[in-house]
Amino acid sequence: EAAVTQSPRNKVTVTGGNVTLSCRQTNSHNYMYWYRQDTGHGLRLIHYSYGAGNLQIGDVPDGYKATRTTQEDFFLLLELASPSQTSLYFCASSDAATGGVEQYFGPGTRLTVL
Amino acid sequence: TQTVSQSDAHVTVFEGDSVELRCNYSYGGSIYLSWYIQHHGRGLQFLLKYYSGNPVVQGVNGFKAEFSKSDSSFHLRKASVHWSDSAVYFCAVSYQGGRALIFGTGTTVSVSP
Repeated sequence: EAAVTQSPRNKVTVTGGNVTLSCRQTNSHNYMYWYRQDTGHGLRLIHYSYGAGNLQIGDVPDGYKATRTTQEDFFLLLELASPSQTSLYFCASSDAATGGVEQYFGPGTRLTVL
Repeated sequence: TQTVSQSDAHVTVFEGDSVELRCNYSYGGSIYLSWYIQHHGRGLQFLLKYYSGNPVVQGVNGFKAEFSKSDSSFHLRKASVHWSDSAVYFCAVSYQGGRALIFGTGTTVSVSP
């Protein structure tokens, strides 16, 4: 019954590889976000979306693309993965009525780029 | 530039003790302030938020936070911690009208029996 799910939960790829991280939310929320979490940096925003077909650039977008295909689904794409993108990735969703303040997070995807 | 700082990287307390986690922000306009908790191996969970009104806000599980405009702070407190409160706590800010959250670097709380 988890409201925000992510897949895969773990992923190992090689430098230059192509990776897609998936996120689905069943909260009927408008806003969705992709973050990366690294020791010493907290969570940093990569991309976010206000709705299907919408994409906004976050604070650390370089090397990442994202696509929001439906209200429920938000994808993060790494087309030429690099070791610096080894990280723990979180997806989150939020109701527009809360202004994005109350966010609901998925369990995370741990990505390793060799 | 909007920033959030959490001065303590790690706090160790005994079960039943009180704890205060410090959060300071820098931004001149209207902002939302919030706290999140992250248990080991899990995603973040919302604890509480402040935008206006009573500067003391109550959250879940006995947590509360107090906003101070003069100190640019939003410190989180709990009067009596339980072992299950062991986690990483993140302070976050966002602009009025929403956008996305800017997180501090987190404070790890370890509760000893």
